[in-house]
Amino acid sequence: GENVEQHPSTLSVQEGDSAVIKCTYSDSASNYFPWYKQELGKGPQLIIDIRSNVGEKKDQRIAVTLNKTAKHFSLHITETQPEDSAVYFCAGNAGNMLTFGGGTRLMVKP
Amino acid sequence: DGGITQSPKYLFRKEGQNVTLSCEQNLNHDAMYWYRQDPGQGLRLIYYSQIVNDFQKGDIAEGYSVSREKKESFPLTVTSAQKNPTAFYLCASSMARANTEAFFGQGTRLTVV
Repeated sequence: GENVEQHPSTLSVQEGDSAVIKCTYSDSASNYFPWYKQELGKGPQLIIDIRSNVGEKKDQRIAVTLNKTAKHFSLHITETQPEDSAVYFCAGNAGNMLTFGGGTRLMVKP
Repeated sequence: DGGITQSPKYLFRKEGQNVTLSCEQNLNHDAMYWYRQDPGQGLRLIYYSQIVNDFQKGDIAEGYSVSREKKESFPLTVTSAQKNPTAFYLCASSMARANTEAFFGQGTRLTVV
């Protein structure tokens, strides 16, 4: 089955700096890669996703890049703000369901 | 107001008791999922269902049971056979296609007392 690894497990940045979270996946059949943000005590919410027919997607301060050959994808957050502090999960699909990475706790210091 | 609803938000259980967590969705999604999340950990799949009256075990199904009698509902029972049930439980739903977004409920925090 699919195996998704996510790094780093924790990330601390100064407000206004950029943050990058990286994921690798194992199943070359995966073609959909969402990113979720989970705030404390709540369920994860989708913030951006990318399909395998594109290499990059951007939505305001958030962007995701995908390298199918290397089987890795990354989340980029620019001009970070304190409200970006949360746990972020990447995922890949294989066998008709999502497999999640282990999560990254992002802390943005004011 | 469409979405996926989990109840209750907090649940306490005595050792040796079964307890059932509710998950309801009005998104007309075929697929539903249950995940377990431990502190500082990722999401581990317990059970999933892609169609009514059918469900499959995930990675950590031991000590849990589910039913899918209606498209809208996918309750999870934590049985006394689950040795370490204290955790945050998340339910999700999606369309049956593989490359579509999964929507999550707000979770149920189960504590064994």
